[in-house]
Amino acid sequence: QLQLQESGPGLVKPSETLSLTCTVSGGSMSSTNYYWGWIRQPPGKRLEWIGTVYYNGRTYYNPSLNSRITISIDTSKRQFSLKLKSVTAADTAVYYCARRVVRGAIGFDYWGQGTLVTASP
Amino acid sequence: DIVMTQSPLSLPVTPGEPASISCRSSQSLLHSNGYNYFEWYLQKPGQAPQLLIYLGSNRASGVPDRFIGSGSGTDFTLIINRVEAEDVGVYYCMQALETPNTFGPGTRVDLK
Repeated sequence: QLQLQESGPGLVKPSETLSLTCTVSGGSMSSTNYYWGWIRQPPGKRLEWIGTVYYNGRTYYNPSLNSRITISIDTSKRQFSLKLKSVTAADTAVYYCARRVVRGAIGFDYWGQGTLVTASP
Repeated sequence: DIVMTQSPLSLPVTPGEPASISCRSSQSLLHSNGYNYFEWYLQKPGQAPQLLIYLGSNRASGVPDRFIGSGSGTDFTLIINRVEAEDVGVYYCMQALETPNTFGPGTRVDLK
């Protein structure tokens, strides 16, 4: 059974960089059939797609965050990561990592449990 | 970006009765390959979202057959036949035709 687990600081100071890692267990990350993505949910708001990364490192970012985000992948460590620069209070959210199936466009079929990151002094 | 809207935003339901949620997109989600790049997710209280429906009408693995997705283009519907207590939560629609993928505001389903 595939499992995803987010990890990283729960508190980030404004203007600093948010860094999260998603560790994947129970399945391969090197398959051409999957994208690996980050999605966030600010308190009381709808889900927001942040971006995805392919096994070969190709990335797709949300233009609203494009200048501040970097998503990377390390298949040997079974991890992919999110860095968000210059955070503000608006970046306070539960951050989820998830797998997206390519063939058949099946969707985000596995999700991490989510981790709350608060941007506060 | 493609804007997703849902109705209703809140839906009290009676166990055993059907329920219906609608979602509309600001542009067609019908790809030239004939598929609608549209998904439904359910976020149960305290949990991460879970995939229910992909490509407009295909149930994800393990999803009970009481969940039925339909629609094409810009208008989509999720029907829950015979709602069960475990179906409570927030239902989100999402378009997967373009990046950024975008979600609807969510429909909160709870028991009457």
